[in-house]
Amino acid sequence: GAVVSQHPSRVICKSGTSVKIECRSLDFQATTMFWYRQFPKQSLMLMATSNEGSKATYEQGVEKDKFLINHASLTLSTLTVTSAHPEDSSFYICSATGTTYSYEQYFGPGTRLTVT
Amino acid sequence: AQTVTQSQPEMSVQEAETVTLSCTYDTSENNYYLFWYKQPPSRQMILVIRQEAYKQQNATENRFSVNFQKAAKSFSLKISDSQLGDTAMYFCAFMKPRNQGGKLIFGQGTELSVKP
Repeated sequence: GAVVSQHPSRVICKSGTSVKIECRSLDFQATTMFWYRQFPKQSLMLMATSNEGSKATYEQGVEKDKFLINHASLTLSTLTVTSAHPEDSSFYICSATGTTYSYEQYFGPGTRLTVT
Repeated sequence: AQTVTQSQPEMSVQEAETVTLSCTYDTSENNYYLFWYKQPPSRQMILVIRQEAYKQQNATENRFSVNFQKAAKSFSLKISDSQLGDTAMYFCAFMKPRNQGGKLIFGQGTELSVKP
């Protein structure tokens, strides 16, 4: 089946620094990737949608300058949290869709970000 | 805008029993997809079952089946012969076709505990 990886699985950074999270499709070409944020005991909230080679489309209320998304290739998307603050601490999940099916999204295992 | 509502924050069931999780949604679309995802303690999102809105027949995957009532905008999940490994958070999700955005909209989730 289709596999999506995320790196790192956990990261701790100091307030004010930036941190990059990678999302890779390992065995398929991901034409579209999605980034979600999930707080404990809550649902997944879509942050942005990115299509390969295009600028990401952000959901209402998500700061574009704070959460930089790049989808430079068909197998890699990155989320950079700039000038991180403790309130950015969360679980970040990516998903990807390929070209084969119109509905299937494949999820990465998630990245736990802690900002101290 | 589409919304998805799961009215049961928590449920529990005895091992080998049957449990039904509720989900309602609101949309003016006629063509869409509905999903149930499972998120175990590992937090990896796992697709349990999907239903295409144009199909009248309810989807079934082994012990998992849905009751899809399009007119009532209801999409419940039935788990038969519950197993300890079914313990997880379950999310109901709605998606428009990819050519209309393809974004997943999740419900609030139902935390299911299967007791021995």
